[in-house]
Amino acid sequence: DADVTQTPRNRITKTGKRIMLECSQTKGHDRMYWYRQDPGLGLRLIYYSFDVKDINKGEISDGYSVSRQAQAKFSLSLESAIPNQTALYFCATSAGADTQYFGPGTRLTVL
Amino acid sequence: GENVEQHPSTLSVQEGDSAVIKCTYSDSASNYFPWYKQELGKRPQLIIDIRSNVGEKKDQRIAVTLNKTAKHFSLHITETQPEDSAVYFCAARPLWGNKLVFGAGTILRVKS
Repeated sequence: DADVTQTPRNRITKTGKRIMLECSQTKGHDRMYWYRQDPGLGLRLIYYSFDVKDINKGEISDGYSVSRQAQAKFSLSLESAIPNQTALYFCATSAGADTQYFGPGTRLTVL
Repeated sequence: GENVEQHPSTLSVQEGDSAVIKCTYSDSASNYFPWYKQELGKRPQLIIDIRSNVGEKKDQRIAVTLNKTAKHFSLHITETQPEDSAVYFCAARPLWGNKLVFGAGTILRVKS
């Protein structure tokens, strides 16, 4: 869905580096989410936000932080990247608790 | 919290045959059950969903059934085509929660 965008689309970084993944949406949705996808493990929720002043931890938040800069922007940071954070990361948005729309994903490799 | 199990993890069918993917959930309060399809290298996209007040929902070749008593729901794809090959994810949302909990996914391969 072109209304949810993620940057960068691919990133290779080294252990210990700080990295930020960004998500923007033009759908006007209030809720935004960050997921991590690993083979055989499905989509696991890292953080979610129901509005600009609301940030909540998901099931695998350790090692990650987020910032909701505006209703349309939600960033995910890895303060000190480690190899087991190599994964495909998806941002998603929803209007209330309804259908979630996913961004195109960011493939992150930590060497 | 909610836990969703999805089976099988991989499924191969002949073109034209039917495919069934089943998910079980643990929280009896869950009331919303979407199915997402993820093609290779693409983002997950919603293909069908069902709410707890409905037992079955159909959309062309795709249908979803829900058994609240047994706490399981299934995706049925009839007359499969090569373009149905993808990873399929089920999910459940508890009534008092605001998050979707996803199953681990099923890789569907349709052989022509």
